[in-house]
Order: sequence, then C-alpha cells, then structure tokens
Amino acid sequence: AQSVTQPDIHITVSEGASLELRCNYSYGATPYLFWYVQSPGQGLQLLLKYFSGDTLVQGIKGFEAEFKRSQSSFNLRKPSVHWSDAAEYFCAVGGPSSSNTGKLIFGQGTTLQVKP
Amino acid sequence: SQTIHQWPATLVQPVGSPLSLECTVEGTSNPNLYWYRQAAGRGLQLLFYSVGIGQISSEVPQNLSASRPQDRQFILSSKKLLLSDSGFYLCAWNGGGPHNEQFFGPGTRLTVL
Repeated sequence: AQSVTQPDIHITVSEGASLELRCNYSYGATPYLFWYVQSPGQGLQLLLKYFSGDTLVQGIKGFEAEFKRSQSSFNLRKPSVHWSDAAEYFCAVGGPSSSNTGKLIFGQGTTLQVKP
Repeated sequence: SQTIHQWPATLVQPVGSPLSLECTVEGTSNPNLYWYRQAAGRGLQLLFYSVGIGQISSEVPQNLSASRPQDRQFILSSKKLLLSDSGFYLCAWNGGGPHNEQFFGPGTRLTVL
C-alpha cells in the first residue's frame, strides 16, 4: 500500500540550531516527493520537490531534502532554524501511477516549535 | 501567473444548515482540482478530486458533495451540516502534468455549532 509516515508529531528546536524532519514513504513505483509548510490558519506552501536526478534538492527558505531510495526516506533539513520557521510540515508522495489524477499521499504532519 | 481563491475565509453555521464553499483558479486551464479537510490536530484528508468539468471522484463517504460547473470552479456543498463537518477546508489544483505538484488555496475555516 502507498503511504507516507512522519514519525515525529512534534519537534522543538532552539533558534539557530539545525533541524531534520523525517519522512518515510511506501510507493510501488518511482516516487515524486514533496515537502510543504503550513503556517497556522494558512494554506500549504511548497518548500521543495524531488522527481529525479540529484538526490539532494534545494528549496525555498534555506531548506533542503535528501532522497534515499535504499531507506525509502526523504528527510527535510535546515542548518539554522529561524523563529519564523515555526509551522507544520507535511511530506507527500505521488508518481506515475497517479499521473492522470495528480493525487498525492500526505503524511500526518510534524509541528515545529522554535525556542528563542 | 496562477492563483487560487477560496471563499468565504471563515464560516460559522448551525447544525442542519446547508453549506457551499467555493474555489476558483485563475491563470490555467483544465486543472485537476481537489478538496481536502483538516480536522483539529490532524493531517490532510482528501475528500474529492476532479479531472474535468462535471467529473467528480469521492474519496470517502460522507455528508458532503462536490461539483465542478466550470473548468476552474470547484464547489463543496452539504444539504445538512453535522458537528463533525467542522474543520479547515483546503482547495488545491495541479496542472495535470506527470509531476503532480499541487498548489493550495488559503483555506476556509468552518465551525458548525
């Protein structure tokens, strides 16, 4: 079955510290992977995406993610967290099997709290 | 550039009343359209999607329905709201290409009392 797991429901980091949010997926074909961010009361904004090629992808706001096929993971990282990064983060997977519908499978989200 | 609009932004409705939420997309044609719901403290639940005018697929049985009367308009409706319909409703679109990237609207906060 296709699924996305974000093992950490809630993470708290100090401002200026590094961040890694975990994402594991199960997908039968070549996955297309996404990270979205949602501020309270807002819609989701795309941070970055992976389709093919270089497994380390750069996104907006200083985020990056690394695709590791052997581990079925697509973890999100940031070297130094800012207070404005406090938000909810969603990992999602899609791929060729859903190319007609464009459906994505989302993880349950990780809430990031930043301590001053 | 493409933009997506949702209205209203917030809505408070009594149990048993009807519902109509609207989503429109500008700057693209023949998009795939999606309705999601976020209950408090939970992730995204896909409710409906549409790959064309009049084509609606339901993901979960529920008290809601969707319609797509125009290419870039997607409407979420209910004849009689339940308390459990409260939540944050998000509309999204994608261009139908192979990379399935979705773009989200600002959302509608629905409270059923």
